[in-house]
Amino acid sequence: EAQVTQNPRYLITVTGKKLTVTCSQNMNHEYMSWYRQDPGLGLRQIYYSMNVEVTDKGDVPEGYKVSRKEKRNFPLILESPSPNQTSLYFCASSLNSLVGLEQFFGPGTRLTVL
Amino acid sequence: AQSVAQPEDQVNVAEGNPLTVKCTYSVSGNPYLFWYVQYPNRGLQFLLKYITGDNLVKGSYGFEAEFNKSQTSFHLKKPSALVSDSALYFCAVRDSSGAGSYQLTFGKGTKLSVIP
Repeated sequence: EAQVTQNPRYLITVTGKKLTVTCSQNMNHEYMSWYRQDPGLGLRQIYYSMNVEVTDKGDVPEGYKVSRKEKRNFPLILESPSPNQTSLYFCASSLNSLVGLEQFFGPGTRLTVL
Repeated sequence: AQSVAQPEDQVNVAEGNPLTVKCTYSVSGNPYLFWYVQYPNRGLQFLLKYITGDNLVKGSYGFEAEFNKSQTSFHLKKPSALVSDSALYFCAVRDSSGAGSYQLTFGKGTKLSVIP
């Protein structure tokens, strides 16, 4: 089944404790992206990647890192999480970034930083 | 910079009645426009998109949307609402011109409630 998977689905952590949220897709997509969803703010893009080893900042990149060493994986790294990073995070992918293709979304990761 | 506005936080409609969820956009070039739906505790699902061509686009679950370039709008519509349509709906835009074209910008979402 074609899908985007995220792990963990739920995470409670404390301020300053490094964490990684994994994202993997099995559709051989070139383009991958991370979003955060907050009430009243909709979805905001954190980082995106157009292909392996090619990443760029979205609208709200502060406090986050990403890497794209393999085509299928695009982990989101919070090196020193803070309470304002408490949010619902979505990973998404599409075939490529050069045409108007829809994105496929993962199920989301709900992160709470205490 | 590109942007999307969904002017209604919530839309209530009776089952069987037509529904409209509004969306306006701003881009410097030509837009690629999308509608996504989010059911409770789920990720976003693609509904439909406008890239070029016919201004009326049809999508999943009986939804359609009309692209209006002069009004910079892309309203989502359905002739007869179902209770199962109750969800959070997001409009999104990409600029096809190259300016920020790798970014997909979402609106804040509209909660649709269909009342039995």
